Amino acid sequence: DIQMTQSPSSVSASVGDRVTITCRASQGLSSWLAWYQQKPGKAPKLLIYAASSLQSGVPSRFSGSGSGTDFTLTISSLQPEDFATYYCQQAYIFPRTFGQGTKLEIK
Amino acid sequence: QVQLQESGPGLVKPSGTLSLTCVVSGGSISSNNWWSWVRQPPGKGLEWIGEIYHTGSTYYNPSLKTRVTISVDKSKNQFSLKLSSVTAADTAVYYCASLTIFGVVQYFDYWGLGTLVTVSS
Repeated sequence: DIQMTQSPSSVSASVGDRVTITCRASQGLSSWLAWYQQKPGKAPKLLIYAASSLQSGVPSRFSGSGSGTDFTLTISSLQPEDFATYYCQQAYIFPRTFGQGTKLEIK
Repeated sequence: QVQLQESGPGLVKPSGTLSLTCVVSGGSISSNNWWSWVRQPPGKGLEWIGEIYHTGSTYYNPSLKTRVTISVDKSKNQFSLKLSSVTAADTAVYYCASLTIFGVVQYFDYWGLGTLVTVSS
């Protein structure tokens, strides 16, 4: 299985801050990676697919980059509704695997 | 817009079989999507269980493969999950989700609300 490791596991930030979350895969994924946002008690929501493509309806302050084994999710200017847990997921090979999550908290 | 809704018992006894159904609305289960189950133990991360195409083709997580069956009922526009020989470790919120092709690769784009299944006597 491909292991997905996110860092940090949690981060505290303020509204308006720029935040970057990193995801590292145990083997190369090309660009076949997605980012999801999950709020408490809710289902995950697709934000980014193919490493850098913004899902329809997702604000442009979210962006993704990377290829191979190293990927990043950046939120350019945090809004109150962005405080949530973020997961990366590899779509390169079965079984589909997720990172352990990064919890973004209000400072 | 596709909507998914999980249903099934919220409590299953140890060694029993967990059975859930996901009804698809706003779209056809016979479309070019795959249909998946993902679970999340309380306070933990996401685990892919498996997925099915409307033809009946399936992929399962090897860690669960011996206990999992996913099936599709096109007449009811729904798909189902059965997980046998459950233990407390199978306690989780179970989500059904659709996988849509973006370019050449599929991603989870629509999700159900999730249903908590507790394994306890």
